[in-house]
Amino acid sequence: KNEVEQSPQNLTAQEGEFITINCSYSVGISALHWLQQHPGGGIVSLFMLSSGKKKHGRLIATINIQEKHSSLHITASHPRDSAVYICAVREETSGSRLTFGEGTQLTVNP
Amino acid sequence: NAGVTQTPKFQVLKTGQSMTLQCAQDMNHEYMSWYRQDPGMGLRLIHYSVGAGITDQGEVPNGYNVSRSTTEDFPLRLLSAAPSQTSVYFCASSYSYGGQLVYEQYFGPGTRLTVT
Repeated sequence: KNEVEQSPQNLTAQEGEFITINCSYSVGISALHWLQQHPGGGIVSLFMLSSGKKKHGRLIATINIQEKHSSLHITASHPRDSAVYICAVREETSGSRLTFGEGTQLTVNP
Repeated sequence: NAGVTQTPKFQVLKTGQSMTLQCAQDMNHEYMSWYRQDPGMGLRLIHYSVGAGITDQGEVPNGYNVSRSTTEDFPLRLLSAAPSQTSVYFCASSYSYGGQLVYEQYFGPGTRLTVT
């Protein structure tokens, strides 16, 4: 079993829909990252959080440390949101490393 | 700022050949790392560095060497390429605190390597 599990693996939505991507992990962590990988392959960091909730534009990330779970929400989705969304955790015992999930492929149709 | 740059973008090697993937950043980041991305496996850490002269192994270091002689550069060397090293390679950098990765990472555009 992977230490970081994402669901769903693939998600197709219609423009305007509210989208949720989930990340569960099995180890103690000091931080969780959400990343976006564009169709061209480039990777950008969206959020880094260790508690509560963060918001940037139409993107919202939440984390529940006790339940070892995080969600990434996209409101009013748009075709340009189509990308792979990757969850990664910084473990308490290895603060110099990230462990990554396999990613969620999101496709938003017009 | 150019951010994190990687060269080359694409490379084809024959089994047994050696090569160096270049990575540079102009943000004065202490932390630099190399990942490989394979279908169905997510990103995996190959080697990382918390400052000039300091490197350490990640999850999948075999077959790769690194050095960090300057803050800006972190080259990845493939000693004797094997088909199992066919992958997309990403370099990333970040500020760090006490060697700990406490800030977001900035990724390079990637190098697609094929070993035949």
